[in-house]
Amino acid sequence: AQTVTQSQPEMSVQEAETVTLSCTYDTSESDYYLFWYKQPPSRQMILVIRQEAYKQQNATENRFSVNFQKAAKSFSLKISDSQLGDAAMYFCAYRSAFQGGSEKLVFGKGTKLTVNP
Amino acid sequence: NAGVTQTPKFQVLKTGQSMTLQCAQDMNHEYMSWYRQDPGMGLRLIHYSVGAGITDQGEVPNGYNVSRSTTEDFPLRLLSAAPSQTSVYFCASRRATTSYEQYFGPGTRLTVT
Repeated sequence: AQTVTQSQPEMSVQEAETVTLSCTYDTSESDYYLFWYKQPPSRQMILVIRQEAYKQQNATENRFSVNFQKAAKSFSLKISDSQLGDAAMYFCAYRSAFQGGSEKLVFGKGTKLTVNP
Repeated sequence: NAGVTQTPKFQVLKTGQSMTLQCAQDMNHEYMSWYRQDPGMGLRLIHYSVGAGITDQGEVPNGYNVSRSTTEDFPLRLLSAAPSQTSVYFCASRRATTSYEQYFGPGTRLTVT
């Protein structure tokens, strides 16, 4: 079974600075998807960024980028120019690319990010 | 588009009561799922459906039933509520042809006393 580990329960960053959230995962599969979701106090789950395992290039979405290390099974999220609105719980998630197992999103326990003004 | 909607937003039940959490989507998505989120944990899959009339169990299915008679609706039934089912419940949907993005509803906070 796949597992996702987020080793930082809480992180803080100064506004306008850069922060990196860590995520490692365990799988025996070769094809899968990785995601970072943001959950603000409103409780809504918002997709921040996604990465296909077969792509070597790291995904980027505006101020958000990932460092995907497939061999190390590592998938960290970098937030540049942090803003107060970035404060939230961040979840790393894994999904198999194979039929049959593809509906299960496996989540880490989350990292609570605080942004200090 | 309203996206994924869930009702109610909050609910308090007594142990042994039954109820149905409603989920609807207006994006014509084939796949729909139910997750629960407990404190200090990420979301865990309860049940999912890959189309009308087709459902399957996820990671934590015990105590819950689902059915899917239409593409739009995917209700989650609690048969006999237990305090261990106190949680926040999320419904999600996606297109079968989309490899990645799931759209989540706003969640239902359920308390069982």
